[in-house]
Amino acid sequence: AQKVTQAQTEISVVEKEDVTLDCVYETRDTTYYLFWYKQPPSGELVFLIRRNSFDEQNEISGRYSWNFQKSTSSFNFTITASQVVDSAVYFCALSDRTGGFKTIFGAGTRLFVKA
Amino acid sequence: DTGVSQDPRHKITKRGQNVTFRCDPISEHNRLYWYRQTLGQGPEFLTYFQNEAQLEKSRLLSDRFSAERPKGSFSTLEIQRTEQGDSAMYLCASSLASDLGETQYFGPGTRLLVL
Repeated sequence: AQKVTQAQTEISVVEKEDVTLDCVYETRDTTYYLFWYKQPPSGELVFLIRRNSFDEQNEISGRYSWNFQKSTSSFNFTITASQVVDSAVYFCALSDRTGGFKTIFGAGTRLFVKA
Repeated sequence: DTGVSQDPRHKITKRGQNVTFRCDPISEHNRLYWYRQTLGQGPEFLTYFQNEAQLEKSRLLSDRFSAERPKGSFSTLEIQRTEQGDSAMYLCASSLASDLGETQYFGPGTRLLVL
């Protein structure tokens, strides 16, 4: 069965702090995709990144970085030097072959960045 | 064409009324998805289309819900005899499916309130 767990419901940091959002996934497939989306207060889900199961290389994009570890079934997201504009709900998601590549979302982590 | 659009953005209706939402996907995308999101939760899959064919419906989708994508372009989601429990954000997403997986891009959502 597919499952995505985001154990952190809310995180509050002060601006310029680094923050890591955890994501643990479950799938029996060897081919799957992992995603992170950002949902600001406006409500629209914004795509941030997609990783394929066969590519464990970590990725950095500006202040954002992602750590994909198949051994622990984790796909964690780090924001370096957080800013107030980073305040949002962040969703980790999974799609796999068994699920017809439908996307299953975690419950989300609400990030508050205080000035 | 800059992204997925949804109309209306907000809808308030009385219990028992019918409502219809529209989604216009990114033009070259062949898949279109509908999700429902309630407060504090991640999006839950409702149904999806590949071109004009509706390929899967979630058990969440009761008989009061129907979706169409008549020409493989825009889609409508209708809820008949609305109930207070239908109050939620309804999200539409589109993607270009391939053998290498897909990334779903989301619209701004339609927020439904049933009184």
